[in-house]
Amino acid sequence: EVQLVESGGALVQPGGSLRLSCAASGFTVYDNYMSWVRHTPGKGLEWVSLIYNGDSAHYTDSVRGRFSVSRDTSKNTMYLQMSALRVEDTAIYYCVRDLNVWGQGTLVTVSS
Amino acid sequence: EIVMTQSPATLSVSPGERATLSCRASQSLSSNLAWFQQKPGQAPRLLIYDASARATGIPARFSGSESGTEFTLTISSLQSEDFAIYYCQQYNNWPRTFGQGTKVEIK
Repeated sequence: EVQLVESGGALVQPGGSLRLSCAASGFTVYDNYMSWVRHTPGKGLEWVSLIYNGDSAHYTDSVRGRFSVSRDTSKNTMYLQMSALRVEDTAIYYCVRDLNVWGQGTLVTVSS
Repeated sequence: EIVMTQSPATLSVSPGERATLSCRASQSLSSNLAWFQQKPGQAPRLLIYDASARATGIPARFSGSESGTEFTLTISSLQSEDFAIYYCQQYNNWPRTFGQGTKVEIK
């Protein structure tokens, strides 16, 4: 069964760091376009980043330079390293394969 | 950055009626547009990709169309399970961008 499971969400203070994980089963993360998308009730869905063709990656402007996406082929897992976190980064973070396979999400709360 | 503008923000529809949702792109997308449905507490679900292709398992009452930079999602006869928020997303340019969503509520 094709499945994505996120983990790593937590409460963190502004300026702090956090690493999210996305464990895949039923397919290989390295061979697919893998994205992070976040959701807040007020702003809706926001595309965050995508990794493809090895280690090529793109980011939305608001996280570029602060967030970094990577993949570990031995663990079949994608990561999102987040640093210099801001209150506005508070959201549920989903990992996505292509467009059609979504995880259940992990909650990141940035607050003092 | 391509700006995606959805309208209306809220659509009130009775069960069994047709719903028409719009999404306008600030630039040409070459049909690289998807529609998603999201219900409270759930991850989004892909409905339509490439502007008009239904994703696997999506009922035929959902259809997508395009005219230039205007895209439309039509739900031909609303069922109770269709009341949700719908988002369009372009994947033609970086960064990929979503519209702000249309909430379809029971009239």
